[in-house]
Amino acid sequence: EVQLVESGGGLVQPGRSLKLSCAASGFTFSNYYMAWVRQAPKKGLEWVATISTSGSRTYYPDSVKGRFTISRDNAKSSLYLQMNSLKSEDTATYYCARDRAAISDWGQGVMVTVSS
Amino acid sequence: DIVMTQTPSSQAVSAGEKVTMSCKSSQSLLYSENKKNYLAWYQQKPGQSPKLLISWASTRESGVPDRFIGSGSGTDFTLTISSVQAEDLAVYYCEQYYDTPYTFGAGTKLELK
Repeated sequence: EVQLVESGGGLVQPGRSLKLSCAASGFTFSNYYMAWVRQAPKKGLEWVATISTSGSRTYYPDSVKGRFTISRDNAKSSLYLQMNSLKSEDTATYYCARDRAAISDWGQGVMVTVSS
Repeated sequence: DIVMTQTPSSQAVSAGEKVTMSCKSSQSLLYSENKKNYLAWYQQKPGQSPKLLISWASTRESGVPDRFIGSGSGTDFTLTISSVQAEDLAVYYCEQYYDTPYTFGAGTKLELK
Protein backbone atom coordinates (compact mmCIF):
# COMPACT_ATOMS: atom_id res chain seq x y z
CA GLU A 1 0.00 0.00 0.00
CA VAL A 2 1.33 3.41 -0.97
CA GLN A 3 1.82 5.71 2.00
CA LEU A 4 2.89 9.34 1.96
CA VAL A 5 3.27 11.01 5.35
CA GLU A 6 3.98 14.72 5.54
CA SER A 7 5.49 16.56 8.47
CA GLY A 8 6.97 19.91 9.34
CA GLY A 9 3.97 22.18 9.06
CA GLY A 10 2.95 24.84 11.55
CA LEU A 11 2.59 28.54 12.21
CA VAL A 12 5.31 30.78 10.79
CA GLN A 13 5.70 34.54 10.47
CA PRO A 14 5.71 36.25 7.09
CA GLY A 15 9.18 36.37 5.58
CA ARG A 16 10.41 33.35 7.51
CA SER A 17 11.23 29.85 6.29
CA LEU A 18 9.84 26.37 6.80
CA LYS A 19 10.80 22.94 5.49
CA LEU A 20 8.27 20.21 4.85
CA SER A 21 9.16 16.54 4.69
CA CYS A 22 7.36 13.56 3.25
CA ALA A 23 8.15 9.93 4.07
CA ALA A 24 7.15 7.56 1.29
CA SER A 25 6.59 3.81 1.49
CA GLY A 26 4.86 1.02 -0.38
CA PHE A 27 6.51 1.67 -3.74
CA THR A 28 9.98 2.10 -5.24
CA PHE A 29 10.40 5.79 -4.50
CA SER A 30 13.35 6.34 -6.81
CA ASN A 31 11.32 5.26 -9.85
CA TYR A 32 8.76 8.05 -9.65
CA TYR A 33 8.50 11.76 -10.13
CA MET A 34 7.15 13.39 -6.98
CA ALA A 35 5.24 16.60 -6.39
CA TRP A 36 3.77 19.01 -3.87
CA VAL A 37 0.24 20.34 -4.29
CA ARG A 38 -1.41 22.82 -1.94
CA GLN A 39 -4.91 23.86 -1.03
CA ALA A 40 -5.70 27.15 0.70
CA PRO A 41 -8.53 27.00 3.27
CA LYS A 42 -11.86 26.44 1.52
CA LYS A 43 -10.18 26.86 -1.88
CA GLY A 44 -9.15 24.69 -4.80
CA LEU A 45 -5.96 22.82 -5.62
CA GLU A 46 -2.73 24.45 -6.76
CA TRP A 47 0.33 22.63 -8.07
CA VAL A 48 3.47 23.80 -6.24
CA ALA A 49 6.43 21.76 -7.47
CA THR A 50 7.55 18.60 -9.24
CA ILE A 51 10.89 16.78 -9.14
CA SER A 52 12.29 14.15 -11.47
CA THR A 53 13.35 10.69 -10.34
CA SER A 54 17.00 11.63 -9.86
CA GLY A 55 16.28 15.13 -8.62
CA SER A 56 18.12 16.72 -11.53
CA ARG A 57 15.02 18.44 -12.87
CA THR A 58 12.59 20.57 -10.93
CA TYR A 59 9.52 22.52 -11.98
CA TYR A 60 7.60 25.33 -10.28
CA PRO A 61 4.79 27.76 -11.04
CA ASP A 62 5.66 31.44 -11.01
CA SER A 63 3.85 31.90 -7.68
CA VAL A 64 6.60 30.05 -5.79
CA LYS A 65 9.57 30.06 -8.18
CA GLY A 66 12.65 31.45 -6.49
CA ARG A 67 11.17 31.02 -3.00
CA PHE A 68 10.42 27.27 -2.80
CA THR A 69 12.81 24.39 -3.47
CA ILE A 70 11.76 20.79 -3.92
CA SER A 71 14.31 18.06 -3.26
CA ARG A 72 14.47 14.36 -2.56
CA ASP A 73 16.62 11.73 -0.91
CA ASN A 74 16.07 8.45 -2.72
CA ALA A 75 18.10 6.51 -0.15
CA LYS A 76 15.64 7.63 2.51
CA SER A 77 12.52 7.55 0.31
CA SER A 78 11.90 11.11 1.34
CA LEU A 79 10.66 14.25 -0.36
CA TYR A 80 11.20 17.79 0.87
CA LEU A 81 9.91 21.29 0.27
CA GLN A 82 12.02 24.19 1.48
CA MET A 83 9.85 27.30 1.65
CA ASN A 84 11.54 30.68 2.05
CA SER A 85 10.22 34.25 2.17
CA LEU A 86 6.80 32.95 3.12
CA LYS A 87 3.76 35.10 2.45
CA SER A 88 0.26 35.05 3.90
CA GLU A 89 -1.00 33.67 0.56
CA ASP A 90 1.15 30.56 1.11
CA THR A 91 -1.20 29.54 3.94
CA ALA A 92 -2.56 26.16 2.88
CA THR A 93 -2.60 22.44 3.39
CA TYR A 94 0.39 20.99 1.54
CA TYR A 95 0.07 17.54 0.02
CA CYS A 96 2.94 15.28 -0.89
CA ALA A 97 2.07 13.41 -4.05
CA ARG A 98 3.28 10.66 -6.36
CA ASP A 99 3.34 12.01 -9.88
CA ARG A 100 2.53 9.45 -12.56
CA ALA A 101 1.64 12.20 -15.04
CA ALA A 102 -1.65 12.55 -13.13
CA ILE A 103 -1.27 12.65 -9.35
CA SER A 104 -1.97 9.03 -8.48
CA ASP A 105 -1.37 9.13 -4.72
CA TRP A 106 -1.73 11.84 -2.10
CA GLY A 107 -0.60 12.19 1.49
CA GLN A 108 -2.99 13.30 4.21
CA GLY A 109 -1.61 16.84 4.03
CA VAL A 110 0.14 19.17 6.44
CA MET A 111 -1.10 22.62 7.37
CA VAL A 112 1.12 25.68 6.96
CA THR A 113 -0.14 28.96 8.39
CA VAL A 114 1.74 32.16 7.58
CA SER A 115 0.72 34.88 9.99
CA SER A 116 2.20 37.40 12.36
CA ASP B 1 -0.79 29.19 -18.56
CA ILE B 2 -3.60 26.79 -19.47
CA VAL B 3 -6.84 27.85 -17.82
CA MET B 4 -9.25 25.11 -16.75
CA THR B 5 -12.91 26.09 -16.49
CA GLN B 6 -15.34 23.77 -14.71
CA THR B 7 -19.12 24.04 -14.85
CA PRO B 8 -21.33 24.04 -12.94
CA SER B 9 -19.66 25.19 -9.72
CA SER B 10 -22.21 23.22 -7.73
CA GLN B 11 -25.00 20.81 -8.48
CA ALA B 12 -27.77 19.41 -6.29
CA VAL B 13 -28.52 15.79 -7.03
CA SER B 14 -30.66 12.90 -5.84
CA ALA B 15 -29.41 9.35 -5.42
CA GLY B 16 -29.79 7.39 -8.63
CA GLU B 17 -29.61 10.43 -10.90
CA LYS B 18 -27.26 10.69 -13.86
CA VAL B 19 -24.85 13.58 -13.42
CA THR B 20 -22.59 15.30 -15.91
CA MET B 21 -20.02 17.99 -15.27
CA SER B 22 -17.87 19.87 -17.72
CA CYS B 23 -14.22 20.88 -17.87
CA LYS B 24 -12.90 23.10 -20.64
CA SER B 25 -9.27 23.99 -21.23
CA SER B 26 -7.97 27.17 -22.83
CA GLN B 27 -5.82 25.13 -25.21
CA SER B 28 -5.82 21.60 -26.52
CA LEU B 29 -4.64 18.87 -24.16
CA LEU B 30 -4.30 16.35 -26.98
CA TYR B 31 -0.68 15.44 -27.68
CA SER B 32 -0.46 14.58 -31.36
CA GLU B 33 2.42 12.12 -31.08
CA ASN B 34 0.64 9.67 -28.79
CA LYS B 35 -2.99 10.77 -29.30
CA LYS B 36 -3.43 11.09 -25.54
CA ASN B 37 -5.34 13.80 -23.70
CA TYR B 38 -3.41 14.99 -20.64
CA LEU B 39 -6.47 15.45 -18.43
CA ALA B 40 -7.30 13.96 -15.02
CA TRP B 41 -10.33 13.97 -12.73
CA TYR B 42 -10.10 13.91 -8.93
CA GLN B 43 -12.67 13.47 -6.20
CA GLN B 44 -12.27 15.19 -2.84
CA LYS B 45 -14.61 14.37 0.01
CA PRO B 46 -14.87 16.70 3.03
CA GLY B 47 -11.83 16.46 5.27
CA GLN B 48 -10.02 14.08 2.92
CA SER B 49 -7.20 14.25 0.42
CA PRO B 50 -8.07 14.24 -3.26
CA LYS B 51 -8.36 10.88 -4.98
CA LEU B 52 -7.52 10.20 -8.61
CA LEU B 53 -10.54 8.84 -10.47
CA ILE B 54 -9.60 9.14 -14.13
CA SER B 55 -6.43 9.87 -16.07
CA TRP B 56 -5.79 10.39 -19.80
CA ALA B 57 -9.33 11.82 -19.95
CA SER B 58 -11.04 8.43 -19.91
CA THR B 59 -8.90 5.79 -18.13
CA ARG B 60 -10.52 4.81 -14.86
CA GLU B 61 -8.14 4.08 -11.97
CA SER B 62 -8.14 0.62 -10.46
CA GLY B 63 -10.93 0.27 -7.91
CA VAL B 64 -12.95 3.23 -9.18
CA PRO B 65 -16.57 2.19 -9.77
CA ASP B 66 -17.59 1.96 -13.40
CA ARG B 67 -20.36 4.50 -12.86
CA PHE B 68 -17.61 7.14 -13.21
CA ILE B 69 -17.01 7.81 -16.91
CA GLY B 70 -14.59 10.30 -18.38
CA SER B 71 -14.93 11.49 -21.95
CA GLY B 72 -13.90 14.24 -24.33
CA SER B 73 -10.86 15.33 -26.27
CA GLY B 74 -8.93 18.44 -27.16
CA THR B 75 -10.40 21.22 -25.06
CA ASP B 76 -13.77 19.84 -23.93
CA PHE B 77 -14.10 17.13 -21.32
CA THR B 78 -16.91 15.60 -19.28
CA LEU B 79 -17.17 13.51 -16.14
CA THR B 80 -20.36 11.51 -15.96
CA ILE B 81 -21.65 9.62 -12.95
CA SER B 82 -24.22 7.23 -14.38
CA SER B 83 -26.16 6.74 -11.14
CA VAL B 84 -25.09 8.94 -8.24
CA GLN B 85 -24.67 7.30 -4.86
CA ALA B 86 -24.65 9.06 -1.48
CA GLU B 87 -20.92 8.40 -1.14
CA ASP B 88 -20.28 10.37 -4.35
CA LEU B 89 -21.09 13.68 -2.68
CA ALA B 90 -17.81 15.53 -3.01
CA VAL B 91 -15.96 18.17 -4.96
CA TYR B 92 -14.65 17.08 -8.35
CA TYR B 93 -11.61 18.71 -9.91
CA CYS B 94 -10.14 18.40 -13.37
CA GLU B 95 -6.44 18.96 -13.96
CA GLN B 96 -4.30 19.38 -17.04
CA TYR B 97 -0.84 17.86 -16.98
CA TYR B 98 -0.07 18.70 -20.61
CA ASP B 99 2.26 21.53 -19.73
CA THR B 100 3.67 23.31 -16.72
CA PRO B 101 2.35 25.04 -14.76
CA TYR B 102 -0.05 22.17 -14.21
CA THR B 103 -3.43 23.69 -13.47
CA PHE B 104 -6.68 22.62 -11.86
CA GLY B 105 -10.22 23.72 -12.42
CA ALA B 106 -12.05 25.43 -9.56
CA GLY B 107 -14.14 22.32 -8.93
CA THR B 108 -17.74 21.13 -9.14
CA LYS B 109 -19.40 20.44 -5.80
CA LEU B 110 -22.04 17.73 -5.76
CA GLU B 111 -24.63 18.28 -3.06
CA LEU B 112 -27.72 16.42 -1.93
CA LYS B 113 -31.03 17.72 -3.26
